[in-house]
Amino acid sequence: AQSVSQHNHHVILSEAASLELGCNYSYGGTVNLFWYVQYPGQHLQLLLKYFSGDPLVKGIKGFEAEFIKSKFSFNLRKPSVQWSDTAEYFCAVNPYNFNKFYFGSGTKLNVKP
Amino acid sequence: SAVISQKPSRDICQRGTSLTIQCQVDSQVTMMFWYRQQPGQSLTLIATANQGSEATYESGFVIDKFPISRPNLTFSTLTVSNMSPEDSSIYLCSVGWRDNQPQHFGDGTRLSIL
Repeated sequence: AQSVSQHNHHVILSEAASLELGCNYSYGGTVNLFWYVQYPGQHLQLLLKYFSGDPLVKGIKGFEAEFIKSKFSFNLRKPSVQWSDTAEYFCAVNPYNFNKFYFGSGTKLNVKP
Repeated sequence: SAVISQKPSRDICQRGTSLTIQCQVDSQVTMMFWYRQQPGQSLTLIATANQGSEATYESGFVIDKFPISRPNLTFSTLTVSNMSPEDSSIYLCSVGWRDNQPQHFGDGTRLSIL
């Protein structure tokens, strides 16, 4: 069965620190990849997505992610985090032409002001 | 995108009872889905709600336990039947317009069973 692994369950950073959240998946075929964010008290929102082309994708609020096919990874990065980035982040994998999403268990990011 | 409203937002229920969760979208959508997020775990797809026909359930989920309705293109319900403490979870509705496009999520229903 397909699986999505987010290795960091809880990350604590100070403002201006750099962020990298890991995401690995097990599906061997073509995939679409997503990062979702859930701010406290809010619903899941799309942060960025990768379908094809440039493996480095940019999303909202200064986030970016890099797809490395050989490593089955789609890590999320931000050069300098802000207190407002405190949220839970979910990686999701959608096998191409297959109408299902598989989610990681999420990473809680706590940014200290 | 769309505005997706789920009701109730949270509930505390007695063992053995059933609860129906509603998902209302402010525009017509092609696809509607129901997920469960158990404490400390990832989102797990329960079923795809099909308009005018029976829902398509994922492995481990059955219609008797999680009956789903989708009478039109903007509304769906999920019932959690004969609840036990193991059903304590967040239940999420999501919608999509085309295959392989991002899904959009409601706020979720936080359900606790005593």
